Amino acid sequence: DAKTTQPPSMDCAEGRAANLPCNHSTISGNEYVYWYRQIHSQGPQYIIHGLKNNETNEMASLIITEDRKSSTLILPHATLRDTAVYYCIVTHTNAGKSTFGDGTTLTVKP
Amino acid sequence: DAGVTQSPTHLIKTRGQQVTLRCSPKSGHDTVSWYQQALGQGPQFIFQYYEEEERQRGNFPDRFSGHQFPNYSSELNVNALLLGDSALYLCASSDLGHSGGETQYFGPGTRLLVL
Repeated sequence: DAKTTQPPSMDCAEGRAANLPCNHSTISGNEYVYWYRQIHSQGPQYIIHGLKNNETNEMASLIITEDRKSSTLILPHATLRDTAVYYCIVTHTNAGKSTFGDGTTLTVKP
Repeated sequence: DAGVTQSPTHLIKTRGQQVTLRCSPKSGHDTVSWYQQALGQGPQFIFQYYEEEERQRGNFPDRFSGHQFPNYSSELNVNALLLGDSALYLCASSDLGHSGGETQYFGPGTRLLVL
């Protein structure tokens, strides 16, 4: 699996958009970009994933650059409950496993 | 739709003992992966079971073993416990047989403390 690089921490004001960056410059053609988050002492929660195109679901949007070497997870209106560690992962088709780094600790402040 | 469930939620053992953790996958999923998460770190992949066989294994010693049952549930066994085995043990399920299995859904974890 390709290695990812994320900032260790970020702050965001409640109600504003949170933009979490991830670099994955060694990503290969059949590798997906996945985002999970982990709220303190709970299991990681799947957020969103994409291959080439931008994706949106009820939780977030995922913007992948055209060269696929980086991506941004966007939480459009952050709430205090979005405070968590966010993990960006790159994984092969049929890999079935995820290689986690240290993630980004997002703190949403009132 | 039941998600991934794990038991027990917490466990305290002493060094040298053996422990068994259990996981039931999300309905419709056929693959179970186990992860170890030490305090302050990201989850580390232990192994994955599919069709009752160990399909992949991470960098963990043979003291860590597992099993998958015909109903897709799984157990993680750790023998000869060390203090360093204290961690949150996470189970994740996916649908490898139909959708490639990249999307994993995690259970709440079992917190193991070794004294």
